[in-house]
Amino acid sequence: GAVVSQHPSRVICKSGTSVKIECRSLDFQATTMFWYRQFPKKSLMLMATSNEGSKATYEQGVEKDKFLINHASLTLSTLTVTSAHPEDSSFYICSARDLASGADTGELFFGEGSRLTVL
Amino acid sequence: GQNIDQPTEMTATEGAIVQINCTYQTSGFNGLFWYQQHAGEAPTFLSYNVLDGLEEKGRFSSFLSRSKGYSYLLLKELQMKDSASYLCAAFDSNYQLIWGAGTKLIIKP
Repeated sequence: GAVVSQHPSRVICKSGTSVKIECRSLDFQATTMFWYRQFPKKSLMLMATSNEGSKATYEQGVEKDKFLINHASLTLSTLTVTSAHPEDSSFYICSARDLASGADTGELFFGEGSRLTVL
Repeated sequence: GQNIDQPTEMTATEGAIVQINCTYQTSGFNGLFWYQQHAGEAPTFLSYNVLDGLEEKGRFSSFLSRSKGYSYLLLKELQMKDSASYLCAAFDSNYQLIWGAGTKLIIKP
């Protein structure tokens, strides 16, 4: 199956700093990527849909100035948590569908996830 | 509104069979997914059903009834490594994924 790589897997930062998380599709072109946030013992919460070459579509309640998403190429999307605070501590996961190959089954391919801890 | 319901937690014995149920209410429907998620890791794909019926894949099987808005994931010959959360998710008419909260499965020796 298609492979999505996410980096870093863990990051600890001080309050007020910005953190960038990268999501790469390694063996397919991902015109659309999805960014999720997951709290402990909770389901995935879709934050935004990242579209290559255009602005991301944010879900209701997600601050787009807080969570900056850039999808500059067909294989890379980045999520930047700006001026992070302790309440931003969470597990952030990206995913993508392989729509270009013609083999799309609707399956989402997930990155490994990034655990952010803001002190 | 749209929602997915599944039990919060289930317990089963190693070597046994367990069925995890999922009911869904969505605006339109374009298929249902089951994902497995171990603690601290991203979800991994298990199955995708869009037609009614049972699909078997090794020890795991998934069933869908569109008329009832119902699916289940059946796990046979349970192994300790099957201890994980199992997430049910459905595509609505716009192919937006609606996620359930997940069922934590605890396997006991």
